[in-house]
Amino acid sequence: GQQLNQSPQSMFIQEGEDVSMNCTSSSIFNTWLWYKQEPGEGPVLLIALYKAGELTSNGRLTAQFGITRKDSFLNISASIPSDVGIYFCAAVNYGGSQGNLIFGKGTKLSVKP
Amino acid sequence: KAGVTQTPRYLIKTRGQQVTLSCSPISGHRSVSWYQQTPGQGLQFLFEYFSETQRNKGNFPGRFSGRQFSNSRSEMNVSTLELGDSALYLCASSLRGGGGTGELFFGEGSRLTVL
Repeated sequence: GQQLNQSPQSMFIQEGEDVSMNCTSSSIFNTWLWYKQEPGEGPVLLIALYKAGELTSNGRLTAQFGITRKDSFLNISASIPSDVGIYFCAAVNYGGSQGNLIFGKGTKLSVKP
Repeated sequence: KAGVTQTPRYLIKTRGQQVTLSCSPISGHRSVSWYQQTPGQGLQFLFEYFSETQRNKGNFPGRFSGRQFSNSRSEMNVSTLELGDSALYLCASSLRGGGGTGELFFGEGSRLTVL
């Protein structure tokens, strides 16, 4: 079935560094999303992308919807300790049931002050 | 605006028992989805309800069931619990059901441990 391959699985970085993570699939999607989950919490939506090639920012976060519609990237600039958490990519073909939303397995980010 | 509320937050059961988890969506949201989260499998879709109707179901055995009430609150039930059912069960609500945009609002989850 459809699956999202997210990498890296984990990252250990120094405060102030930039972070990049990506998500790929063999299937085409018309919507890509990025969620963040902090310990003891449910995932929270960070960015949603609806158009191939789209580049969207949310503060220090920037995400891109790949032109092939099979991938997406998330960058975090100048990381801070509160960026710690698990980042999930997700994809769906808008027009179907929410059940078609699938998630990557996450990138666990650790930030050393 | 209150967020998605899940109860209970933590529970411990033994094999063979059954469990019911509850979810109250954000006011005005008619779609409720349930996900199982485990370290090995990540977030896996269980089912989605919209206006009391199950719209979609993931690849889980029939021991996993759910329902939605007229006030959009939802429950999920797992019968004959197995050790492998230990997981964080997440409920998510959204404004629109079918035609979903992927924009979900998650609760904090119910952490189930099966001994």
